[in-house]
Formats: sequence, structure tokens, C-alpha cells
Amino acid sequence: QKEVEQNSGPLSVPEGAIASLNCTYSDRVSQSFFWYRQYSGKSPELIMSIYSNGDKEDGRFTAQLNKASQYVSLLIRDSQPSDSATYLCAVNYGGSQGNLIFGKGTKLSVKP
Amino acid sequence: SAVISQKPSRDICQRGTSLTIQCQVDSQVTMMFWYRQQPGQSLTLIATANQGSEATYESGFVIDKFPISRPNLTFSTLTVSNLSPEDSSIYLCSVERGPGNTIYFGEGSWLTVV
Repeated sequence: QKEVEQNSGPLSVPEGAIASLNCTYSDRVSQSFFWYRQYSGKSPELIMSIYSNGDKEDGRFTAQLNKASQYVSLLIRDSQPSDSATYLCAVNYGGSQGNLIFGKGTKLSVKP
Repeated sequence: SAVISQKPSRDICQRGTSLTIQCQVDSQVTMMFWYRQQPGQSLTLIATANQGSEATYESGFVIDKFPISRPNLTFSTLTVSNLSPEDSSIYLCSVERGPGNTIYFGEGSWLTVV
């Protein structure tokens, strides 16, 4: 059974702080890793993808991948109240295209 | 990214009836995917819809309950049949674009069964 695990939260951080979101996955053959943001009442929106070990930065977002530890994280620098949302980690295990395994999401709350 | 439009955006349906959700993409795609997100749960893939062939269903999902059409390369429908309260979910159409099998989602269809 392929699984993606996330801490459900809620994770509360003050405005301007760094928010750290973590995700672990169960299968070593995983190839592609994604972070989606989902605002309440909205569909998931892709914010980051990462395919190789190390860090990938895009604006205030940094994704970190460690395949040996089967661990992927998302850092949000200078957190803003508008970052308050549920963050979904998704893993493609290289099977049928489009078959992402999603974690249950971490709810982030950024307090002004 | 992709522009993916879904209809209806929300609906309240009586148990025992059916609801058909439409998905329109802004450009041709080989495969379209239907996901479900039950309240408080993660997203689960229902099926993959290829144009010109029958949809491929994931474990736990059957064609009788979730018939899918894919008449052309930009459009698909998902029907949720014989509705029960357990079918109350968000249903999401998605397509794959770019490297790494990146999935982009439509706006979603919020279904409440009463």
C-alpha cells in the first residue's frame, strides 16, 4: 500500500515567520513530488514540484527532497495571512500517468 | 498550466438520483483524470479517461456507479449514479501537463446528497 503521510496540523505561525510543512512517503520508486495549496472551498492549486534530491526555490517557497529518507518538505518564508490554507503533498510513483497519491494535507494558519 | 472548466460548480441532489459533471479543457489532451475529495479527506483518483476508449477505473470504483464519457480531446463527463449521502464530495477533473506528470485541477464540483 503506497502511502503519503502529513501532519494534519493545524500549524500556526506568526506573520513573517517561516512555515515548515513535512511529508513522508512509503515507496522508494517514487519519481515526482508536488505541493498543492487548497484554500477553503477551492480546488487544489499547484505551487511546487520537485524531482531530484536537494532544494528547489521559487519566490518565498522552497521544496526540499531527500529520497534516501523518503521525505519531502515545503518551507514558506515571510509567511503571510494569505498563505493560510491546507497544503497537500502528492507523490507520483511512476505508475499510470496522473495517478498521484495525496496526503491528507496540513492546515496552515498564519496569524497577523 | 491549463484552463479547466467544470460544471456544475455546486449542486444539491436527492438520494437515488444521478449527477453528471462536465469538464472542458482549453486545449487537446490525451488523458483526463477524475478525482474525488470526501469531506476532511485527501484526493483519490477515480478513473482515467482516454479519448476513444473506455475509462480505466481505480480499485474501489466501478463503471456502473461512475460512468465516464470522453467524446473528444477537450471534454469529458463523469456521472455519479444512484446517489447516496456518502457520495457527498468534491469531484475534480484534472489533466496532465509538463514534466514529471504534473496534474492541474479544474475548479471542482461540490456535490451534496440529501
